[in-house]
Amino acid sequence: DTEVTQTPKHLVMGMTNKKSLKCEQHMGHRAMYWYKQKAKKPPELMFVYSYEKLSINESVPSRFSPECPNSSLLNLHLHALQPEDSALYLCASSQRDRDSYEQYFGPGTRLTVT
Amino acid sequence: GQQLNQSPQSMFIQEGEDVSMNCTSSSIFNTWLWYKQDPGEGPVLLIALYKAGELTSNGRLTAQFGITRKDSFLNISASIPSDVGIYFCAGYAGNNRKLIWGLGTSLAVNP
Repeated sequence: DTEVTQTPKHLVMGMTNKKSLKCEQHMGHRAMYWYKQKAKKPPELMFVYSYEKLSINESVPSRFSPECPNSSLLNLHLHALQPEDSALYLCASSQRDRDSYEQYFGPGTRLTVT
Repeated sequence: GQQLNQSPQSMFIQEGEDVSMNCTSSSIFNTWLWYKQDPGEGPVLLIALYKAGELTSNGRLTAQFGITRKDSFLNISASIPSDVGIYFCAGYAGNNRKLIWGLGTSLAVNP
């Protein structure tokens, strides 16, 4: 089973709202990732968690706040977003955050900021 | 950031035709991954390659890790309508712990 689940599937929020995206995997993977993807572009890495600790932050604005409550769950808290933050947000996981491990992606959350 | 050179950018083919796409880099890669993405969905891993010269198949798909470790190709044989989508190559270079991505090949299949 290589399933990564994400909720919600779609999210519309205003610029003053606070919302959260959720991601879950039960593959025993110890690395989890958040990516942002614009239409017809490759995914852009935002954050990497390794063994539930933040290991990479790609200089993401503080209006995006990641959280890893346990080894199976990953959240992305959103606050005071801008319309240009509208995108497909993808969660991924891999056994470890090293180059010998494949990343498996969830279906994504389509976020629209109005 | 660093990106892979992926070509062609787009392809429009007839059902039943074979397809070939490739990725090249100026750096040596340790791992090559090929993904397919349908509109509004997450990328799905098709094939992973770990050794120079490695040739791996997954059904009608075949991918190879180039001998120089700076390129990889993906072939799709006897294309069908459900092959439509964007194909991305991605890989790890050197000690970089982040996946580096190609810009994608958009495939359209005419039934």
